[in-house]
Amino acid sequence: TQLLEQSPQFLSIQEGENLTVYCNSSSVFSSLQWYRQEPGEGPVLLVTVVTGGEVKKLKRLTFQFGDARKDSSLHITAAQPGDTGLYLCAGGGAGNMLTFGGGTRLMVKP
Amino acid sequence: GAVVSQHPSWVICKSGTSVKIECRSLDFQATTMFWYRQFPKQSLMLMATSNEGSKATYEQGVEKDKFLINHASLTLSTLTVTSAHPEDSSFYICSANGEVGTEAFFGQGTRLTVV
Repeated sequence: TQLLEQSPQFLSIQEGENLTVYCNSSSVFSSLQWYRQEPGEGPVLLVTVVTGGEVKKLKRLTFQFGDARKDSSLHITAAQPGDTGLYLCAGGGAGNMLTFGGGTRLMVKP
Repeated sequence: GAVVSQHPSWVICKSGTSVKIECRSLDFQATTMFWYRQFPKQSLMLMATSNEGSKATYEQGVEKDKFLINHASLTLSTLTVTSAHPEDSSFYICSANGEVGTEAFFGQGTRLTVV
């Protein structure tokens, strides 16, 4: 069974601060996806990384896939209240099945 | 991008009744859809993989007779919670992969409350 450990589980920061969310596994994934979910809604895809060592940027968000494709990180620069939400990493496996991390609940205070 | 529509968004039902949740891929065909359950402040837990034209594959611990899945067409999968009980109250989410491959698109979710 593939498992994804996501940390931290909860993060409360002030507007303007930087933060990093980590997603680690002992298993290799064919792809790694990051989602953001707001209460009462389904997750929305932020990015997909597929190549070991790959780095993708989405405005103030920087995503990195580990060289061995076992881990990933999400870094947010100058966080804003609008970034508040549940961030989920998910590893892609056989048959398009996703293995989700436990989630990181981010709260950015104005 | 690909769109997955889930209906209803929320439902309240009495104990002992059954509830059907629909998941549709609006602009693409999905041979496989996935059903998840999410408890408050927790991550998504995969319940089952819905395969078009064949039986669903259930994850360990998920009762197949309790959570009936039907995937009769390439654009529609349904999850029926049979003989619902208050402990079945949860947020249920479906997903489907776009035709490109690895990216999963999620429905809006269905909040089920059993009273």
